[in-house]
Amino acid sequence: SQQGEEDPQALSIQEGENATMNCSYKTSINNLQWYRQNSGRGLVHLILIRSNEREKHSGRLRVTLDTSKKSSSLLITASRAADTASYFCATERGGSNYKLTFGKGTLLTVNP
Amino acid sequence: DTGVSQNPRHKITKRGQNVTFRCDPISEHNRLYWYRQTLGQGPEFLTYFQNEAQLEKSRLLSDRFSAERPKGSFSTLEIQRTEQGDSAMYLCASSEETDTQYFGPGTRLTVL
Repeated sequence: SQQGEEDPQALSIQEGENATMNCSYKTSINNLQWYRQNSGRGLVHLILIRSNEREKHSGRLRVTLDTSKKSSSLLITASRAADTASYFCATERGGSNYKLTFGKGTLLTVNP
Repeated sequence: DTGVSQNPRHKITKRGQNVTFRCDPISEHNRLYWYRQTLGQGPEFLTYFQNEAQLEKSRLLSDRFSAERPKGSFSTLEIQRTEQGDSAMYLCASSEETDTQYFGPGTRLTVL
């Protein structure tokens, strides 16, 4: 079953704009990870945030985590056409053998 | 390239045939995972190896599915008597002691 749920399901923006995607989950977690997937290809790891962290940055990416609300957000600043992809959040729960539980993803389209 | 590799990248088979996929993890990664992804969904966990030991299997993994990781290096996933419902992308990931899982490009299976 899928624990994470991304919102929105699809997002279309213009190049240069910021894109924000949200993820909600149901149970307590050890960490939450964001992945990118280009059409029909493998997943690329973007960023990992642990349950005791509130915010992390990596280049144009900013991730926040609110464990009290069981939610996370991914912000991509100054988007580029190459950012067009599906974005998934994945949670690792305690005692889960490190397996990841993914949401259904957000399809981001960045128009040039 | 020292990333996770998977072979074949595409497999088309007829219903009832057996298929086998191979995953070569990143060298020295002791953890290896198999996930399955259907169209419009996020990946779902199938099974997990730590070194050569298969430590967890999802209920999604019916008796027709078997996975091995001899000598704790590469892994194979075999599906016997394939069904049309087995059509999906099969993803392999590996990790070491850190939490980040690195995914391969996947094997896309089409069962006719």
